[in-house]
Amino acid sequence: QKEVEQDPGPLSVPEGAIVSLNCTYSNSAFQYFMWYRQYSRKGPELLMYTYSSGNKEDGRFTAQVDKSSKYISLFIRDSQPSDSATYLCAMRWGYQKVTFGTGTKLQVIP
Amino acid sequence: GAGVSQSPRYKVAKRGQDVALRCDPISGHVSLFWYQQALGQGPEFLTYFQNEAQLDKSGLPSDRFFAERPEGSVSTLKIQRTQQEDSAVYLCASSLVGQGNEETQYFGPGTRLLVL
Repeated sequence: QKEVEQDPGPLSVPEGAIVSLNCTYSNSAFQYFMWYRQYSRKGPELLMYTYSSGNKEDGRFTAQVDKSSKYISLFIRDSQPSDSATYLCAMRWGYQKVTFGTGTKLQVIP
Repeated sequence: GAGVSQSPRYKVAKRGQDVALRCDPISGHVSLFWYQQALGQGPEFLTYFQNEAQLDKSGLPSDRFFAERPEGSVSTLKIQRTQQEDSAVYLCASSLVGQGNEETQYFGPGTRLLVL
């Protein structure tokens, strides 16, 4: 079993929809939780960064962490075609070694 | 300023050939990471440098993989006697300081390696 599980999709939604992306993990030592966006043939770029449990909002993006359930989510409101990409959840403990999920491929249809 | 750059962007190698992949981190960034991303998978950690010191190489898949950062800036990932299973995108990331809580890792575009 992988330390971080993520549904690879693909997920296809109409423009303007609310998108929900999720990951589960098994290592209770993880303290820092991140979501990266990766466009085709590009490197990942950091979208959201949260520490411990709780919610964090940034524009159309909301990240949620539930450490008791070992479950993290990313919500995208008013999704746009430009949001079409692969979304990677990631987490770490200690110094900076990051463990990534498989990535969920999202397509927002105009 | 410039982001993380990697070269070459694409590399085709014959099985058994040695390859060298270069990473130029953001100027002044202390930490540097290498990741391997197989098709349809998330990046997997290979190794970590703080300045010129390689502090963690636990992710290197075999002794054919070697990384260095001799002057604490540019890094090279070398793969000897390449195998087909080495085909992947190799990502480099850098971050500003060596230890920190909210440390953003900035990724380069990656080098896409294909071993025939």
